[in-house]
Amino acid sequence: EPEVTQTPSHQVTQMGQEVILRCVPISNHLYFYWYRQILGQKVEFLVSFYNNEISEKSEIFDDQFSVERPDGSNFTLKIRSTKLEDSAMYFCASSEQGPGDEQYFGPGTRLTVT
Amino acid sequence: RKEVEQDPGPFNVPEGATVAFNCTYSNSASQSFFWYRQDCRKEPKLLMSVYSSGNEDGRFTAQLNRASQYISLLIRDSKLSDSATYLCVAPRRALTFGSGTRLQVQP
Repeated sequence: EPEVTQTPSHQVTQMGQEVILRCVPISNHLYFYWYRQILGQKVEFLVSFYNNEISEKSEIFDDQFSVERPDGSNFTLKIRSTKLEDSAMYFCASSEQGPGDEQYFGPGTRLTVT
Repeated sequence: RKEVEQDPGPFNVPEGATVAFNCTYSNSASQSFFWYRQDCRKEPKLLMSVYSSGNEDGRFTAQLNRASQYISLLIRDSKLSDSATYLCVAPRRALTFGSGTRLQVQP
């Protein structure tokens, strides 16, 4: 069964450093998403991406964040200058059609900013 | 008003019990609804999709009441492995998750 994969599973970085989180969405899916979940809190939407551009973003997704589809399979989330409060689980998801369609989540990357 | 509201629980039930969760949503234009389950420190996993009045999959039944704007999830014959947090989602431009309802099935 096709699945969303994410690397790395755990990333530790120092405050102020740049990190890139990687995702491989399900191959025939056209919509891609990033969510985050701070420990003990709910899953929060960050951004959606379709046809090589951002289609929707939340207020969390500020200028420190960017997304890219550098090739035909990868989808990345970059945080330019990490802050302590960026420590969270970051989930990538994909869907065949738009946000109203079923979204499938990857296993997540645990980001720890020290 | 929050987009989705759920009773946070926890619901503590014995194995074999039937348990039901309700979820109310605010956007009457939502066409599709989903139930996800999330285990501790894991990703949300799609459990059921609800596009019309309801859906059934084995021990799980989801029902939609558009007039009252609520969705329910019924779990019959609860198993220990059903212990998780259950998340109701009514997507608009993205999935908006509530805090979910925690279920603990006890032996």
